[in-house]
Amino acid sequence: DAMVIQNPRYQVTQFGKPVTLSCSQTLNHNVMYWYQQKSSQAPKLLFHYYDKDFNNEADTPDNFQSRRPNTSFCFLDIRSPGLGDAAMYLCATRGNLGDTEAFFGQGTRLTVV
Amino acid sequence: GQNIDQPTEMTATEGAIVQINCTYQTSGFNGLFWYQQHAGEAPTFLSYNVLDGLEEKGRFSSFLSRSKGYSYLLLKELQMKDSASYLCAVSLIGEDSSYKLIFGSGTRLLVRP
Repeated sequence: DAMVIQNPRYQVTQFGKPVTLSCSQTLNHNVMYWYQQKSSQAPKLLFHYYDKDFNNEADTPDNFQSRRPNTSFCFLDIRSPGLGDAAMYLCATRGNLGDTEAFFGQGTRLTVV
Repeated sequence: GQNIDQPTEMTATEGAIVQINCTYQTSGFNGLFWYQQHAGEAPTFLSYNVLDGLEEKGRFSSFLSRSKGYSYLLLKELQMKDSASYLCAVSLIGEDSSYKLIFGSGTRLLVRP
């Protein structure tokens, strides 16, 4: 059974139209991450949470925001998507200690038209 | 800043052994992970090192030298299905005790018959 679920798998949005990607987990992990991955590049960390404590990377654009209403769910909001935001968005969770692996969802591939 | 380097591409022959290197310069080092990623899919966990030395797991082994900021992933008895990207990821502990997971750019491995 999938432990980290991302919806939808594929999302097409219009240039400038707000879009929300979702992630849910059944692992009860306190740590959650959002990554952006463009073709042939490494996953780039956008945000990470420890429980509800939120951290964004210094170079995460203001256009990106995140919400975590409870342990199980996390959302990535893109306020005004541009063509450069087309990418795979990966959600991952991790146990409470830093020595555990990260479990990834299947990703949401975002296309901006 | 944080820096993680891997070769961009490698080619090897089915049945052979290949070593993929990773060097890192980071602060707050808390462990190193290797992930495998097939095109269009999420990364999957392969191995974890926090102490110096070799960790063996079937056909895959990973080595870490913290003093040198160096790790490698060794793949033995290569199979065609091992053609994928291999991502080195460093776990970092921040001043606020949050755990970040930062990825290198990945090494694309092509296994030929």
